[in-house]
Amino acid sequence: AQSVAQPEDQVNVAEGNPLTVKCTYSVSGNPYLFWYVQYPNRGLQFLLKYITGDNLVKGSYGFEAEFNKSQTSFHLKKPSALVSDSALYFCAGRDRSGGSYIPTFGRGTSLIVHP
Amino acid sequence: DTGVSQNPRHKITKRGQNVTFRCDPISEHNRLYWYRQTLGQGPEFLTYFQNEAQLEKSRLLSDRFSAERPKGSFSTLEIQRTEQGDSAMYLCASSSLTGTRTDTQYFGPGTRLTVL
Repeated sequence: AQSVAQPEDQVNVAEGNPLTVKCTYSVSGNPYLFWYVQYPNRGLQFLLKYITGDNLVKGSYGFEAEFNKSQTSFHLKKPSALVSDSALYFCAGRDRSGGSYIPTFGRGTSLIVHP
Repeated sequence: DTGVSQNPRHKITKRGQNVTFRCDPISEHNRLYWYRQTLGQGPEFLTYFQNEAQLEKSRLLSDRFSAERPKGSFSTLEIQRTEQGDSAMYLCASSSLTGTRTDTQYFGPGTRLTVL
């Protein structure tokens, strides 16, 4: 069975400081990994994904994520946080092998960027 | 690309009533997914379609839940005999089988169901 964990319910960071939102995964094979952001009363918006290749993936709005196979992690990062980055962030993953296209989502991490 | 749309955005119903939600995916997308999201949780997978074929439905929460995608375009999710525990946000997503965005799911705004 696959699982995704986001160990922090909330992350607080000051505007202009770097931010990290953590994600670890458990997938039987090689994983596909995703980050989504959700603003209040809106659907999830795709930020970035890792399939293969470079471990550092760049995505929308200046976000990036680093795939670390040995630590089974896929942490989301941004060098300089903006107040407008405040939102709910979800990590998701699935096994790339087999015919299932069903991702498992983490519980989400609320990011609060203080001015 | 007009995005994924869902209707209605909000539904309030009384326990025991049936409700139906509609999802219109991005037009060229072959796959369509339904999820449920409750407060403080990530999306929970319910079912998905590839074109008109429903490829996974074992995770529908009970036999009161059913979904259709009759012509491989829009989809409906029906909940019969609603219970208060069905109150949640129901999300729809679609994805393409081809191109650089393969396997990337695009979500609609969701339908918030409140069962009184």
